[in-house]
Amino acid sequence: AQSVTQPDIHITVSEGASLELRCNYSYGATPYLFWYVQSPGQGLQLLLKYFSGDTLVQGIKGFEAEFKRSQSSFNLRKPSVHWSDAAEYFCAVGAGNTDKLIFGTGTRLQVFP
Amino acid sequence: GAVVSQHPSRVICKSGTSVKIECRSLDFQATTMFWYRQFPKQSLMLMATSNEGSKATYEQGVEKDKFLINHASLTLSTLTVTSAHPEDSSFYICSAIWAGNQPQHFGDGTRLSIL
Repeated sequence: AQSVTQPDIHITVSEGASLELRCNYSYGATPYLFWYVQSPGQGLQLLLKYFSGDTLVQGIKGFEAEFKRSQSSFNLRKPSVHWSDAAEYFCAVGAGNTDKLIFGTGTRLQVFP
Repeated sequence: GAVVSQHPSRVICKSGTSVKIECRSLDFQATTMFWYRQFPKQSLMLMATSNEGSKATYEQGVEKDKFLINHASLTLSTLTVTSAHPEDSSFYICSAIWAGNQPQHFGDGTRLSIL
């Protein structure tokens, strides 16, 4: 069965520091992978997606993610974090041809000035 | 980009009331819409998948008679929480896709509080 693991529940970084949020997935075939961000009390915004092709994917707000099949990972990175990046981040995998998404448990990012 | 509007953003009502939440795709025709429930500080739990003109497909453990879903057009799906009770209080979020294997676009959610 498909699953997504985000090992870090809560991460705290200083503004300007680099960021990496971890995501591991379990899926039998080539996965469709997504990163979403959620601000408090709001819906989810798509940061980036991987369907196929180049394994390094660029997204909005300066985020990027790298698909590593050998490690079953799709980690999210940003070279320099801004205070406005503080939010909850969800990794998700597309569940086959049903268009359903399986979400990880989320990582809460806190940014200190 | 694709915009999904969800209304209302917040509802507070008495126990026993039925509450309707609307989800609209504003700039695209949504082949499929999804309804999620999110508990505080937790991930999203898929409740049901809704396709225009057909019955919704509910996830295991979700009461279809409790959570009525109607997808009357390619731009509108509604979730009605019937005879709501305090345990139904939660954050409900919808999403929509315009074609298969495309990213889901999410509404801003509805905070439902049952007194």
